[in-house]
Amino acid sequence: QSALSQPASVSGSPGQSITISCTGTSSDVGGNNFASWYQQHPGEAPKLIIHAVSNRPSGVSNRFSGSKSGNTASLTISGLQVEDEADYYCSSYTSSNTYVFGTGTKVTVL
Amino acid sequence: QVQLVQSGAEVKEPGASLKVSCKASGNTFTSYVFHWVRQAPGQRLEWMGAIKAGNGNTYYSQNFQGRGTITRDTSATTAYMELSSLRSEDTAVYYCVRELEDSFKFDDWGQGTLVTVSS
Repeated sequence: QSALSQPASVSGSPGQSITISCTGTSSDVGGNNFASWYQQHPGEAPKLIIHAVSNRPSGVSNRFSGSKSGNTASLTISGLQVEDEADYYCSSYTSSNTYVFGTGTKVTVL
Repeated sequence: QVQLVQSGAEVKEPGASLKVSCKASGNTFTSYVFHWVRQAPGQRLEWMGAIKAGNGNTYYSQNFQGRGTITRDTSATTAYMELSSLRSEDTAVYYCVRELEDSFKFDDWGQGTLVTVSS
């Protein structure tokens, strides 16, 4: 199972919006609605920020939103803040009853 | 609040075996699926496998099939991950992750266990 494809880095200024893509196949992202997104700050465990493509867990800022089109899921961060600087990973359930993560995206706030 | 507490850091020689534990506090241990995810230094997250705590069914990534084993002890509310024939590329932080069965999301993460494989 190959990793889902994400851009290596995305940057933006405070207050701007950025979007991170996550491209898979019809066997994972495109084949179900179980794409999730995780935020990871250096030295910490990842934190769930989006599940089931576009659902936010309680306590997660509404500046984070998710969507999907075909085999590509996307995470949008609106009103970018300094504390959003982190690594972001997508994940998807697969047709083999397994999971796969993305390659990861480093978000830099300029 | 459910917590996942993992065993401590380990240093192993190439060829050795590893067993990491993940103690879950809180109720209804058997309602969850326990996953193992690893992250090599500076690298991406990698899903290794999982076990349904209720019936013991296991699922593995192709990369770990045959070399990795995931088990659980319901009376001890603990999940385990064993990895054999260790090599330097297995040096990583290993995370235990909890999913409410059929929720398809990784809600809770353990603190991580650093495993270093070196001669």
